[in-house]
Amino acid sequence: DAGITQSPRHKVTETGTPVTLRCHQTENHRYMYWYRQDPGHGLRLIHYSYGVKDTDKGEVSDGYSVSRSKTEDFLLTLESATSSQTSVYFCAISEFASQTQYFGPGTRLLVL
Amino acid sequence: AQTVTQSQPEMSVQEAETVTLSCTYDTSESDYYLFWYKQPPSRQMILVIRQEAYKQQNATENRFSVNFQKAAKSFSLKISDSQLGDAAMYFCAFPDSGNTPLVFGKGTRLSVIA
Repeated sequence: DAGITQSPRHKVTETGTPVTLRCHQTENHRYMYWYRQDPGHGLRLIHYSYGVKDTDKGEVSDGYSVSRSKTEDFLLTLESATSSQTSVYFCAISEFASQTQYFGPGTRLLVL
Repeated sequence: AQTVTQSQPEMSVQEAETVTLSCTYDTSESDYYLFWYKQPPSRQMILVIRQEAYKQQNATENRFSVNFQKAAKSFSLKISDSQLGDAAMYFCAFPDSGNTPLVFGKGTRLSVIA
């Protein structure tokens, strides 16, 4: 299995609070991704990174920001959490954007 | 925008039987990869099989195989000798264009009946 961890694995927070999710890889892959998964929508890309300090927006980036200061870490921040951001968040990595992605175990976030 | 369509939200199969999950996509690219991922109740996303579009031979991984029809932009997954452990959500995916992130279909939930 690819070495990808996500923390925390579960989080409950209140509307308006900031939340940061962390993805850590040990594979030295260039690309890292954040997805959210909601019933009926499959996986939707939030942001991705193609190198240290190099990031780009995905399909559903509003309300989210990311940072990548080291190859192995990719952080997803909800500046002010809303109930619509209740979801399961997955991190993924790949050597090239168009090739096989390997996923972390997911983080379940509940915003009350 | 590129799209991936899985037209079967739910399917069921008897244990030991064969089932085919469908996926169609839209792209103007000529060389790309296509993927099927499995998500069991544990929620872990697992790569099932990968197909390279320039290869005419359909990919096979044990009981899993694909029927790739490039001209029709169709990429179906066949599961033979279905097992209870095959029960999961299945997602097909392919890159939006060129070297860009994968776009995922909305998934097909497969139930296996003992």
